[in-house]
Amino acid sequence: DQQVKQNSPSLSVQEGRISILNCDYTNSMFDYFLWYKKYPAEGPTFLISISSIKDKNEDGRFTVFLNKSAKHLSLHIVPSQPGDSAVYFCAASGTGSARQLTFGSGTQLTVLP
Amino acid sequence: NAGVMQNPRHLVRRRGQEARLRCSPMKGHSHVYWYRQLPEEGLKFMVYLQKENIIDESGMPKERFSAEFPKEGPSILRIQQVVRGDSAAYFCASSPQGALDEQYFGPGTRLTVT
Repeated sequence: DQQVKQNSPSLSVQEGRISILNCDYTNSMFDYFLWYKKYPAEGPTFLISISSIKDKNEDGRFTVFLNKSAKHLSLHIVPSQPGDSAVYFCAASGTGSARQLTFGSGTQLTVLP
Repeated sequence: NAGVMQNPRHLVRRRGQEARLRCSPMKGHSHVYWYRQLPEEGLKFMVYLQKENIIDESGMPKERFSAEFPKEGPSILRIQQVVRGDSAAYFCASSPQGALDEQYFGPGTRLTVT
C-alpha cells in the first residue's frame, strides 16, 4: 500500500517556466512533509519542508504548497533552470513514525534549455 | 567537512553470500538511518540508530538483515545469505539530532546479487 504517491514519473519544462511537481498521501497521521532532489549516482539532497500547521513554505525559487483536506502537496520551481533536472522525491512523516520518512516513487524533471 | 560516506559504492555478491555495507556519518552526527531503494521505486525506511542503540527497526526484514552503530567506527548494515531480491541501492543518512530536515544522505551502495 503506497502511502505517498507521485503519479507523474516524468515532467519536461522549458527553461524559465514554472515546474510543478505533485504528491498525494493517504495517511492522515502524516504531519511533516519534505522534498528531496536526487542526481544519478548521488544520494537525495534535502530541498524544502513543510509542517501541517502551514499551507505554504517558500525558499528562493522553491515553494511547497500543502492542501490537507485533499491530502495533496506540490512543489513549485520558478524559474526552472537546466540544473534543476533531477529526480524529485516527496517524503512524509508523522506521529508514531517520528524520523521515519515515507517516500514517493519520484518524478524525473527535465528542464529544456 | 566531509559528507556522509558509504562504502563500497558497488557490491556484487552471489546468492547465499553475506553483504556488509558501511556508513560513516557526518562529523558530529550521532543519528544514522538506512533506506533501501528498489528499481523504479522510492526509498523505503529500514532502520534508525543512535550510537550503540537501535531506535526503530520497523522497516527491517525480520530475517537475514541486521544493523549496528557501534561507539567507534561506522554503522554497518549486514545482509546474510543474500537473494536476488536484495539487489537494490542502499542509502544511509545521518543527522545531528534526529531532526527530519537535517537528514544528510550518502551516495549509496548499489548491491547486485547474481
